[in-house]
Amino acid sequence: GEDVEQSLFLSVREGDSSVINCTYTDSSSTYLYWYKQEPGAGLQLLTYIFSNMDMKQDQRLTVLLNKKDKHLSLRIADTQTGDSAIYFCADYKAAGNKLTFGGGTRVLVKP
Amino acid sequence: GAVVSQHPSRVICKSGTSVKIECRSLDFQATTMFWYRQFPKQSLMLMATSNEGSKATYEQGVEKDKFLINHASLTLSTLTVTSAHPEDSSFYICSAASDVADYTFGSGTRLTVV
Repeated sequence: GEDVEQSLFLSVREGDSSVINCTYTDSSSTYLYWYKQEPGAGLQLLTYIFSNMDMKQDQRLTVLLNKKDKHLSLRIADTQTGDSAIYFCADYKAAGNKLTFGGGTRVLVKP
Repeated sequence: GAVVSQHPSRVICKSGTSVKIECRSLDFQATTMFWYRQFPKQSLMLMATSNEGSKATYEQGVEKDKFLINHASLTLSTLTVTSAHPEDSSFYICSAASDVADYTFGSGTRLTVV
C-alpha cells in the first residue's frame, strides 16, 4: 500500500524542542516533505528531503530520514507559540506524480 | 517563490446549486494541478489530477460528474461542485507543480452547503 502514518498529537512547552515522527511504507518514494497547516489555511511547505539524504537542516528545522526503517522526523528547535499548527508529512513517487499525505500531527505549544 | 491563488476562500450556497472554485498559478505555468478535499481534523484526500488541455484523472470513489474539473490554460484550473448537497460541505485545496515534485498549495476554499 501507500500508507504514510503520523502520531496524532504533540504537546510541548515554549522554548523546548519538538520532534514529530512519520513512517511510510513505499520504498520507491523519492522526496519526503513536511508541511504546516494553520487553522482555515492551506498548506505551507516547511522543508523537504531527497530520499538519498540522511539529514537536512534549515534554521530551526532538522529533518532526519532513516530509509532502512522508512522513518522520517522533523525537529523544531526552540519551539514558539506560533509553531502551534498541524504538521503533515508526505511522500512523492514519480510513478503517479502525486503526493501521499499522513494524517497530520497537531502540535500545541504551551507558554 | 511560486504562488498559487485560490478563490473564493469561503462560500455558502444553497442545496442543489453549483459552485465553482478557481485555482491560479500566478508566476509560473503549471501543466498539472491537483484538487484535494479535507474533512475536519483529517488529512488531505486527493480527488483528481488536472492536466492542461486534457481530461482530469479522478481518484477512485470520486464522482467525475459531481466534481467537474477544467484546466483550460497553464495557469488556471477550476473545480465545479455540481448540484451541491450538505455532504459536499468541506475544505477544498488545490496545488500546482512548478517543477518536478515542487508543489505549491492554494489557501483553500471552505464550502458550506445549506
